Amino acid sequence: AQSVTQLGSHVSVSEGALVLLRCNYSSSVPPYLFWYVQYPNQGLQLLLKYTSAATLVKGINGFEAEFKKSETSFHLTKPSAHMSDAAEYFCAVNRGNEKLTFGTGTRLTIIP
Amino acid sequence: GAGVSQTPSNKVTEKGKYVELRCDPISGHTALYWYRQSLGQGPEFLIYFQGTGAADDSGLPNDRFFAVRPEGSVSTLKIQRTERGDSAVYLCASSQTLTGELFFGEGSRLTVL
Repeated sequence: AQSVTQLGSHVSVSEGALVLLRCNYSSSVPPYLFWYVQYPNQGLQLLLKYTSAATLVKGINGFEAEFKKSETSFHLTKPSAHMSDAAEYFCAVNRGNEKLTFGTGTRLTIIP
Repeated sequence: GAGVSQTPSNKVTEKGKYVELRCDPISGHTALYWYRQSLGQGPEFLIYFQGTGAADDSGLPNDRFFAVRPEGSVSTLKIQRTERGDSAVYLCASSQTLTGELFFGEGSRLTVL
């Protein structure tokens, strides 16, 4: 069965610092991979997705993620954190069968 | 509407009662999904509709849970004989394609006392 593992349920970074949120997937075939963000009292919003067109994927709000097959990873990064980035981030995988499987989430806190 | 709409946003009920949660997807989206999110967890798949039919209901936890989408648009998730363990946020999402890009509503928070 395909799944994703998010390392670190809570991550804190200083404003202006690098954001790195980790996601590893388990799948026997290259999957579709996604990052979603959930701001307080809002629905999940797609940040970016990997569908095999390019290994480095750029998303909204300055976020990007790199698909590394050798490491089965799809970590999310942003060079400089903003206060508005404080939210919960979910990695998700879909092997093309239309059912997204989510990780347990990482809550990102930005320190002023 | 512009986005996925879910009602009610909050529902408090007593153990053993019947509950209905409604989802109005984005116009034109043929795929509709229900997920459940418990505190501290990621969304857990419940059921997926393609048009009017349930294409995959493997995530429904037991036969107390049922969902319908009679006209291929609005969907209702029905929970019979609610239990305290059913307390969670129930998320609805819709999609126009099969690439997995889901558009989520804000969820219905169910609390069973």
